[in-house]
Amino acid sequence: NAGVTQTPKFQVLKTGQSMTLQCAQDMNHEYMSWYRQDPGMGLRLIHYSVGAGITDQGEVPNGYNVSRSTTEDFPLRLLSAAPSQTSVYFCASSSRGVGLGEKLFFGSGTQLSVL
Amino acid sequence: GDSVTQMEGPVTLSEEAFLTINCTYTATGYPSLFWYVQYPGEGLQLLLKATKADDKGSNKGFEATYRKETTSFHLEKGSVQVSDSAVYFCALSDRDTGNQFYFGTGTSLTVIP
Repeated sequence: NAGVTQTPKFQVLKTGQSMTLQCAQDMNHEYMSWYRQDPGMGLRLIHYSVGAGITDQGEVPNGYNVSRSTTEDFPLRLLSAAPSQTSVYFCASSSRGVGLGEKLFFGSGTQLSVL
Repeated sequence: GDSVTQMEGPVTLSEEAFLTINCTYTATGYPSLFWYVQYPGEGLQLLLKATKADDKGSNKGFEATYRKETTSFHLEKGSVQVSDSAVYFCALSDRDTGNQFYFGTGTSLTVIP
């Protein structure tokens, strides 16, 4: 009963390094998304996907890339990490496009620090 | 654009006290409304939802009613427990504004024995 799995749970990077945050779901959900959570700002959408091969930008996409080659996986790439990207990152999925009353299922998060 | 405004925290209550966390929204279309809860060190999980006006969502003693006339979705619980200590997020999704949720900033609740 895995649901949405995120790895790693914690990561420390130096400015300019690159890395990929992994997200996988085993519920055959079409919709997947990435959020960042910052104090006092709630959750902000970075990128989302409504199916394999289809991605789109959210509210704060700069500095992040995504791709969706399979239904199960939706990795988030930081190409050149900056201290402003220090945050907690959540992956979330839904069985169909949001806006239809469907809930989001969240992973447990990745805490990223960029020094 | 769409947005959610919720009560600032943190909120500290004694066990068995009454809880209200206010939430109001702005939406272009006809949104669905949600309350999510985040326990320490965990991801968000759905607490309750309502998809049309006057619907009441309820779960674990928590309730919220979708009020279209006041654009509100306030969270209430009659008697809180220590185990209710968490961060609560109000959120909406709106099919008319694309495939995304809009979250409030979160309200931290601490219940003391």
